Amino acid sequence: KQEVTQIPAALSVPEGENLVLNCSFTDSAIYNLQWFRQDPGKGLTSLLLIQSSQREQTSGRLNASLDKSSGRSTLYIAASQPGDSATYLCAALNAGGTSYGKLTFGQGTILTVHP
Amino acid sequence: DAGVIQSPRHEVTEMGQEVTLRCKPISGHDYLFWYRQTMMRGLELLIYFNNNVPIDDSGMPEDRFSAKMPNASFSTLKIQPSEPRDSAVYFCASSQTGVVYEQYFGPGTRLTVT
Repeated sequence: KQEVTQIPAALSVPEGENLVLNCSFTDSAIYNLQWFRQDPGKGLTSLLLIQSSQREQTSGRLNASLDKSSGRSTLYIAASQPGDSATYLCAALNAGGTSYGKLTFGQGTILTVHP
Repeated sequence: DAGVIQSPRHEVTEMGQEVTLRCKPISGHDYLFWYRQTMMRGLELLIYFNNNVPIDDSGMPEDRFSAKMPNASFSTLKIQPSEPRDSAVYFCASSQTGVVYEQYFGPGTRLTVT
């Protein structure tokens, strides 16, 4: 059974800092890995998706990497801003067997960027 | 496309009542997922469909929960009878068979059972 863990659970940083959010998964047979952002009381917004054959994806100040063999992904946020404050969730899409198409989520990292 | 549409956005009901949540996936998407989010348990997959057929309902908590997908553009999640511990935010998501399988989430329905 796939398990996804995110570290740290919460992070508070001053504006302008570069930061790294970590995600680990137990079953390396994944199809892709998605990073989402969730603002309080809102739905999930997809930030980046890395396919299993890829090593990283970039969008603006965000960069996500994937190391399938070690079961790890990181989300790098450059020059953080107060508007980046949100909960960040990673999710692994299982491949094969009866779990195909199933996203397993981590518990999330609550990020606070203070001015 | 308008994205995944869910209704109602908020639902307050009394214990014992039937609750029906609705979802319209993105047109052309053949996968549909129902999730539940609580502070204690985070995001949990309840059930998912492929081409309107339920594939995995192992996350459905008990027989009080049921889900249907009568056609490619509509799905319901029903709770009967509802209990206070069912209070949560319920999300619907959809994706399309292909290279990416990226899931797109609806805005969620916040259910409160008193």
